[in-house]
Amino acid sequence: NAGVMQNPRHLVRRRGQEARLRCSPMKGHSHVYWYRQLPEEGLKFMVYLQKENIIDESGMPKERFSAEFPKEGPSILRIQQVVRGDSAAYFCASSPPSPNEKLFFGSGTQLSVL
Amino acid sequence: SQQGEEDPQALSIQEGENATMNCSYKTSINNLQWYRQNSGRGLVHLILIRSNEREKHSGRLRVTLDTSKKSSSLLITASRAADTASYFCAPRILGGSNYKLTFGKGTLLTVNP
Repeated sequence: NAGVMQNPRHLVRRRGQEARLRCSPMKGHSHVYWYRQLPEEGLKFMVYLQKENIIDESGMPKERFSAEFPKEGPSILRIQQVVRGDSAAYFCASSPPSPNEKLFFGSGTQLSVL
Repeated sequence: SQQGEEDPQALSIQEGENATMNCSYKTSINNLQWYRQNSGRGLVHLILIRSNEREKHSGRLRVTLDTSKKSSSLLITASRAADTASYFCAPRILGGSNYKLTFGKGTLLTVNP
């Protein structure tokens, strides 16, 4: 059973471009979470999704950021018109549909904005 | 805030010593989880303690939970250099269908050989 797969591992974008980060949850997991981590800081919650449904997006910036988790395919975190401040490590996690379950994390995508 | 707050922010010990990290939170919880992060990697789940449990063990890890004080502690016994990492607690709030976990800034543990 493969773990949570994130790609790409590293992503370089120039200011103004779009960044698309992908996350394939573990098999059987219907819940996906996205987090952002700046150097020397903890993980900041961004968004929590279930299949075809956004449950909590309280951590998402109001503009330029969006996330989806379609019925088929990976979850996508999309950042439009990237700025240097978007440079960070973005982690995805997945879990089964239960509050008593742990999260499984991917290895992250390191986004660098030039 | 739904996140836990870890204390201390940094801890440096010698190999073989025990390491204790604390976590405080503010809401009623369903469970509390501890995770570890090695530099540049994703978090790895260590242990989950439910609100009706007071203590739990897993190998060299011992976790306690005091719901009256809204606090938890993680003890790593006989530490090794490989235990060097950041440690995070994550309280899962009670009730509802929002299962998100939020994390604090963590405790950076350094175990010196």
